[in-house]
Amino acid sequence: AQSVTQPDIHITVSEGASLELRCNYSYGATPYLFWYVQSPGQGLQLLLKYFSGDTLVQGIKGFEAEFKRSQSSFNLRKPSVHWSDAAEYFCAVGSTDSWGKLQFGAGTQVVVTP
Amino acid sequence: DTAVSQTPKYLVTQMGNDKSIKCEQNLGHDTMYWYKQDSKKFLKIMFSYNNKELIINETVPNRFSPKSPDKAHLNLHINSLELGDSAVYFCASSQSGEQYFGPGTRLTVT
Repeated sequence: AQSVTQPDIHITVSEGASLELRCNYSYGATPYLFWYVQSPGQGLQLLLKYFSGDTLVQGIKGFEAEFKRSQSSFNLRKPSVHWSDAAEYFCAVGSTDSWGKLQFGAGTQVVVTP
Repeated sequence: DTAVSQTPKYLVTQMGNDKSIKCEQNLGHDTMYWYKQDSKKFLKIMFSYNNKELIINETVPNRFSPKSPDKAHLNLHINSLELGDSAVYFCASSQSGEQYFGPGTRLTVT
């Protein structure tokens, strides 16, 4: 069965500092991987996705993620965070053979301090 | 134009009542989903429809019944509401793997 682990429940980062959010997955085949962001009281917005090809993927809002098959990881990074990046971040894994069913991680809450 | 919309945004009701949440997408996608987000922000899929046909039905109480009148709409009806049904319910639609989420419906059962 597929599963997703986000080891960090909560991260505090200073504005302008770099950010890295960890995501580890367990899946038998090549997974489809996603990062979503949820601002308070809002729905989920897709930041980026990995289906195949280049293992470093660029997303919106200056985010990028790197797929490392050997480590079963798909970590999200941003070189310099802005106060507006404070939100909940979710990693998700899916596949086409399960009709797009997504398994979400528990989320990482990011707090940005001045 | 809103891609995936849900109504209502907030729903407060008493135990034992029956309520419905509606979802519409204008993206032309074939597949739609309902997710439940609990108080700890954990997201879990409940149902999925592809072209009006139920394709995913997770372990959800029978009190929850989805209905898809056409591929642009997926509604969720809940009978005999319980306190544990309090959560945020998200609708989503997808084509080619990417899922787009609605703004959510916060259901509070008192």
